[in-house]
Amino acid sequence: NAGVMQNPRHLVRRRGQEARLRCSPMKGHSHVYWYRQLPEEGLKFMVYLQKENIIDESGMPKERFSAEFPKEGPSILRIQQVVRGDSAAYFCASSPGGLGEKLFFGSGTQLSVL
Amino acid sequence: DAKTTQPPSMDCAEGRAANLPCNHSTISGNEYVYWYRQIHSQGPQYIIHGLKNNETNEMASLIITEDRKSSTLILPHATLRDTAVYYCIVRAPYKLSFGAGTTVTVRA
Repeated sequence: NAGVMQNPRHLVRRRGQEARLRCSPMKGHSHVYWYRQLPEEGLKFMVYLQKENIIDESGMPKERFSAEFPKEGPSILRIQQVVRGDSAAYFCASSPGGLGEKLFFGSGTQLSVL
Repeated sequence: DAKTTQPPSMDCAEGRAANLPCNHSTISGNEYVYWYRQIHSQGPQYIIHGLKNNETNEMASLIITEDRKSSTLILPHATLRDTAVYYCIVRAPYKLSFGAGTTVTVRA
């Protein structure tokens, strides 16, 4: 049973470009969470999605950031017109859902904006 | 989510038990106590969670006080590979909020 898969592992973008981060949840998991970890800081919740629905995006920046979890395929975190402050590690987690369940995290995508 | 307070760092000798405290005095009735750890730049790893009873698994034990205002994570026999940042999280129904955690350094 494969774990949570994130790709790419490392992503380099120039300022103004778009970044697309992918997350395939564990088999049987229908809930996906995205977190961001800035250098020397703790993980911060960004968004919680179920299949085709955004449940909670209270941690998402209001502009340039969007997330989706389509019926088929991986969840995508999209950052438009990246800036240097977007450089961070982005972690995805999945769970089967329900109260009290534990989250399984991927290895993260390290985004570097030049 | 209820706020948690953890010591910023602690050392532990290899082979000894490591006891990591966490205060969560504003915890509410439906909030679970979760522990995760993060080993240098890797994704967080689930350790254990509980609601009000003490819990034990192959990695650790979780002791929750009767009033649920604090808890202790116990690593029974710390190894060098247990060196990591440990996060105590009190969780609302569907999301985790990570604080600064406790940096645990296991020394030979």
